[in-house]
Amino acid sequence: AQTVTQSQPEMSVQEAETVTLSCTYDTSESDYYLFWYKQPPSRQMILVIRQEAYKQQNATENRFSVNFQKAAKSFSLKISDSQLGDAAMYFCAYRSLLYSGGGADGLTFGKGTHLIIQP
Amino acid sequence: DAGVTQSPTHLIKTRGQHVTLRCSPISGHKSVSWYQQVLGQGPQFIFQYYEKEERGRGNFPDRFSARQFPNYSSELNVNALLLGDSALYLCASTHRDRGQDTQYFGPGTRLTVL
Repeated sequence: AQTVTQSQPEMSVQEAETVTLSCTYDTSESDYYLFWYKQPPSRQMILVIRQEAYKQQNATENRFSVNFQKAAKSFSLKISDSQLGDAAMYFCAYRSLLYSGGGADGLTFGKGTHLIIQP
Repeated sequence: DAGVTQSPTHLIKTRGQHVTLRCSPISGHKSVSWYQQVLGQGPQFIFQYYEKEERGRGNFPDRFSARQFPNYSSELNVNALLLGDSALYLCASTHRDRGQDTQYFGPGTRLTVL
């Protein structure tokens, strides 16, 4: 079974600065997806960014980018120019690619990192 | 397009009771997954349904069951509620066709068991 580890329970950053949230995972599979989700106090889980393991290029979405190190099984999220609206719980998630239209694709989540933005 | 919707928003039950939670996926999405999120933890996978069939189950007891209807909406049922079932229950929908594998989450149902 796959596991996802987020070793930073809480991170704090000044507004407009850059912060990196770390995530490591354990798997024996070679093809999979990785995701970062954001969960603000409203509880709605919002997709931030996704990465396909077969792609060497790191995914980027505006101020959000990842550093995907497949050999090290590391998937960190960098948030540039932090804004007050970025304050939330951030969850790293793994999804197997084993299904071929018939299997389950449930996500395995880490425990989350609480990101605080200091004005 | 409307996102994933869930009902009710909040629910309070007592131990031993039964509860039914409901989820409507994004229009065109045929797959629905259910997750349990205990306070302070990440979500844990309970079930996935695709085309009205169960495609996967997480490590949850048989007290948990689900089904998917012809319109792709879904119900999660929990029997003989325990205090430990208190959690946020999240539903996610997926298009699940040619790489459209991202799960989009609803706002959740907060279940409190007294």
